[in-house]
Amino acid sequence: ILNVEQSPQSLHVQEGDSTNFTCSFPSSNFYALHWYRWETAKSPEALFVMTLNGDEKKKGQISATLNTKEGYSYLYIKGSQPEDSATYLCAFMSGAWDSNYQLIWGAGTKLIIKP
Amino acid sequence: EADIYQTPRYLVIGTGKKITLECSQTMGHDKMYWYQQDPGMELHLIHYSYGVNSTEKGDLSSESTVSRIRTEHFPLTLESARPSHTSQYLCASSRGGYDEQYFGPGTRLTVT
Repeated sequence: ILNVEQSPQSLHVQEGDSTNFTCSFPSSNFYALHWYRWETAKSPEALFVMTLNGDEKKKGQISATLNTKEGYSYLYIKGSQPEDSATYLCAFMSGAWDSNYQLIWGAGTKLIIKP
Repeated sequence: EADIYQTPRYLVIGTGKKITLECSQTMGHDKMYWYQQDPGMELHLIHYSYGVNSTEKGDLSSESTVSRIRTEHFPLTLESARPSHTSQYLCASSRGGYDEQYFGPGTRLTVT
């Protein structure tokens, strides 16, 4: 059974501080890694789709790195703002023959920015 | 903003009733998905579709059924609702491959 772990489960950060959290996934049969942001009362929205080992992606003050050999990805937020408060989800896609290329989701990291 | 819609947003219904959760997308995506999510837990895939007349079960066993008669429409039906079906149901679509998924606003279902 494939497992995706996210840590920490929740995080309180002061406005203006930078923060980061982790997504761990199986290191074999890697195909893709997705990051989504899910704000309260809204739909999850994709932040990044990462496919190559060593990949780094950036969108505004949010960036992500990927290590497929050891099975982890980091999401960084620089200079947190109240609007960054959300649950951040990662999802792993296996390239194994029996995976059907579906996403396996972590439970998310809930980020709360304190003004 | 993604063009994917779900109705109803909230539904409270009694045990034994038949319900259909609607999902429509206007992006022309071939792949569509239904996820079930309980608070603080992972999204679990219950059904997906590669295109018209294609439906597959996901990794989480579900008593629900789906149909895909039109590209844009992917409804989910529960023939006889039970309290164990109380959950949030999210519909999504994608172009396929490893492309990002676009999510609807979800349906919060409560079965009493």
